[in-house]
Amino acid sequence: DIVLTQSPALAVSLGQRATISCKTNQNVDYYGNSYMHWYQQKPGQQPKLLIYLASNLASGIPARFSGRGSGTDFTLTIDPVEADDTATYYCQQSRNLPWTFGGGTKLELK
Amino acid sequence: QVKLQQSGAELVKPGASVKLSCKTSGYTFSTSYMSWFKQIPGQSIEWIGMIYAGDGGTGYNQKFKGKATLTVDTSSSTAYMDLSSLTTEDSAVYFCAYTEGMGYFDYWGQGVMVTVSS
Repeated sequence: DIVLTQSPALAVSLGQRATISCKTNQNVDYYGNSYMHWYQQKPGQQPKLLIYLASNLASGIPARFSGRGSGTDFTLTIDPVEADDTATYYCQQSRNLPWTFGGGTKLELK
Repeated sequence: QVKLQQSGAELVKPGASVKLSCKTSGYTFSTSYMSWFKQIPGQSIEWIGMIYAGDGGTGYNQKFKGKATLTVDTSSSTAYMDLSSLTTEDSAVYFCAYTEGMGYFDYWGQGVMVTVSS
């Protein structure tokens, strides 16, 4: 199984930039696509897709969110951070079955 | 618009089984893939498996083989997941989610809490 590693928590001030990383133990690129996706989850809610295929903004997601990376190293950036962004962020790979998620990064405000 | 409506919370005894449902609308269910996920509160998300509604073909995470069984009813655009021989380790929130392909999930059910307790 592909293992995704995220830092457990990140504290950022309002209006600043948050950068959340996700590292995999195997390459998730295939035929020109990076099969890495990002979700936001707030307590008691289902995950919400933010970014798909590493850098594509999902429908209805503000442009403050962006994603980049390839191979085994990926980042989700939120710039500028707003109060409503406090949540847990998960990366997920769909290069190989079983599809797997990172442990999540909890974003908090300073 | 796309909607995935899951059944209500379940309290079940150890050793029992439970069947969860995910009723869909707003897209062509019969040619779609549905996945199911497990999330223990405070922990990350695990992919259980997926089913293709067109022919009922399934793929499972090895970890959940024998535990989960996925089925669909195309006449009602509803997906089901049976969980068997429940233990306290199966207590979790279970989500259904729809993918249009490429393995990312645009649409999720609201989740259902399953509590296994005597």
